[in-house]
Amino acid sequence: EVQLVESGGGLVQPGGSLRLSCAASGFTVSSNYMSWVRQAPGKGLEWVSVIYSGGSTYYADSVKGRFTISRDNSKNTLYLQMNSLRAEDTAVYYCARGLVATLGAFDIWGQGTMVTVSS
Amino acid sequence: QSALTQPASVSGSPGQSITISCTGTSSDVGGYNYVSWYQQHPGKAPKLMIYDVSKRPSGVSNRFSGSKSGNTASLTISGLQAEDEADYYCCSYAGSSTWVFGGGTKLTVL
Repeated sequence: EVQLVESGGGLVQPGGSLRLSCAASGFTVSSNYMSWVRQAPGKGLEWVSVIYSGGSTYYADSVKGRFTISRDNSKNTLYLQMNSLRAEDTAVYYCARGLVATLGAFDIWGQGTMVTVSS
Repeated sequence: QSALTQPASVSGSPGQSITISCTGTSSDVGGYNYVSWYQQHPGKAPKLMIYDVSKRPSGVSNRFSGSKSGNTASLTISGLQAEDEADYYCCSYAGSSTWVFGGGTKLTVL
């Protein structure tokens, strides 16, 4: 079965760090472009970051310089390292697989992991 | 990276058709045929319903259809069913390897 399972969320103080993981099964993470998308409580979806099969990475302006997306091919796992966290980073974080042969969609989503930034 | 504009809510009766609009700019919706639509039930992950403006993934009902004109994309749901009640989000590729989502539309089936 093709699926994504996120972990690593939790409560962190402003200015702190957290690393999210997204374990994939049923497909190879390095063969697809993969993204992180977040959703603040009661709010809409916000694209956060992408990593392409070739390893190139890109970020939303709101997290550029603070977040780092990466992957471990041997573990078939995607990561999001989040530093200098702010209250406005509080959200459910989803990892999502890019649909092959198009930049038009994310076809597989994880269940999400909650990140709360608060003192 | 401003969010795409969607109506906050739409409603319809079972069996009816509804359309949700998604307005962007020439830098996102109008510039690429990379518009997708997602359905999200409360507490659940988003589900891909439409990609590349009008294509349906395998397993998605043909009651769901998508289109685009200029800077505005649309999702139409025909033959409304109770289980269609959910939040719907549009998303567009915005160039330079970035994506932008709409603010979301709450669909109520009366």
